[in-house]
Amino acid sequence: DAKTTQPNSMESNEEEPVHLPCNHSTISGTDYIHWYRQLPSQGPEYVIHGLTSNVNNRMASLAIAEDRKSSTLILHRATLRDAAVYYCILRVASGSARQLTFGSGTQLTVLP
Amino acid sequence: DTAVSQTPKYLVTQMGNDKSIKCEQNLGHDTMYWYKQDSKKFLKIMFSYNNKELIINETVPNRFSPKSPDKAHLNLHINSLELGDSAVYFCASSGPIGSYNSPLHFGNGTRLTVT
Repeated sequence: DAKTTQPNSMESNEEEPVHLPCNHSTISGTDYIHWYRQLPSQGPEYVIHGLTSNVNNRMASLAIAEDRKSSTLILHRATLRDAAVYYCILRVASGSARQLTFGSGTQLTVLP
Repeated sequence: DTAVSQTPKYLVTQMGNDKSIKCEQNLGHDTMYWYKQDSKKFLKIMFSYNNKELIINETVPNRFSPKSPDKAHLNLHINSLELGDSAVYFCASSGPIGSYNSPLHFGNGTRLTVT
């Protein structure tokens, strides 16, 4: 499986934008980039996904590098509720194995 | 309405016991999963079922046996519990197996403590 690399932790101030980076230099052409987050004492929650083009939804934006070897999850205005572990995941779609393989993620701390 | 619900939320038991964790989803999804999150917070896939059929069975001791009575339920039965089984177990579901970008919806987990 192609792997992703994320910083262990990041800090942000409340109401400021946050850019969470992810490296995936061994990504294959058919791998989608997914982001999930896990708030304390909860299950992971889907945030966004994309293939080549940048994507926006109500939660966040996803900026994908032209060579697809890295991506950035952008939270436009961080709130205290955004404090969570953010996982960047490559969705494997070979054969019947369509599970998500989680890495260690980035622990985001939002400071008031 | 809770989309993916697990029971119980907490489970404390002794070594050697047998226990079950139940999971139900009301999203009409075809695929369900069990993940294990250990004390270091790593999330690992254990099993996946599609339309009641087992499609993923990672390297998990055969003391763990998933059962899917119907598409909406995937239960996890664990025999002869060991200390190392202590973890948070998450159930999840997603759309059709051919739609591999269908997001996973997770339950809030069952914290299993084996003493």
